[in-house]
Amino acid sequence: GQQLNQSPQSMFIQEGEDVSMNCTSSSIFNTWLWYKQDPGEGPVLLIALYKAGELTSNGRLTAQFGITRKDSFLNISASIPSDVGIYFCAGYPGSARQLTFGSGTQLTVLP
Amino acid sequence: GAVVSQHPSRVICKSGTSVKIECRSLDFQATTMFWYRQFPKQSLMLMATSNEGSKATYEQGVEKDKFLINHASLTLSTLTVTSAHPEDSSFYICSANTGGIEQYFGPGTRLTVT
Repeated sequence: GQQLNQSPQSMFIQEGEDVSMNCTSSSIFNTWLWYKQDPGEGPVLLIALYKAGELTSNGRLTAQFGITRKDSFLNISASIPSDVGIYFCAGYPGSARQLTFGSGTQLTVLP
Repeated sequence: GAVVSQHPSRVICKSGTSVKIECRSLDFQATTMFWYRQFPKQSLMLMATSNEGSKATYEQGVEKDKFLINHASLTLSTLTVTSAHPEDSSFYICSANTGGIEQYFGPGTRLTVT
């Protein structure tokens, strides 16, 4: 099936630093979604992107839908301890109605 | 809005028994719900798409006779793990969409088969 390459796999950053993670695909995606998952919980939707080139913010989070429709990035500015968790990109390849998930980025914020 | 609940949050069962997990959309109607499983430190893997009033669509490699899905109403889908074995132990998560493209996830159910 379709695969999303998400990087980095894990990040250790100091509180207050900015962080960036991205997803790439070999095929075109029509939608990109970014989720955060805390331990033992389900993913929570952070940002949804609907068209190529779109740049959307949600508080300290900013995400962009790549112009080629094959990539997306998520930036977190001024990280805080509660940003700790696993971040997943997800999207619908082509005309698919099922989400494809990236492998996740484990974020650790050091005090 | 767009709240999805799951019950139970944790369940322990003996090998050979069956377990039912409920997924409810609390403030919206969902004609389609999705069931995922997630192993430790891994991503979510789609198991099946649950359609209200019709049969579920299973992903390749998922046994439909073992993982029974019933989408009896626009707010409820159930996943029954039949004749559970220890290798079925996992984190099961459901999701639903409100008719758009965003999927909203439940809090998950931790299944442990002893």
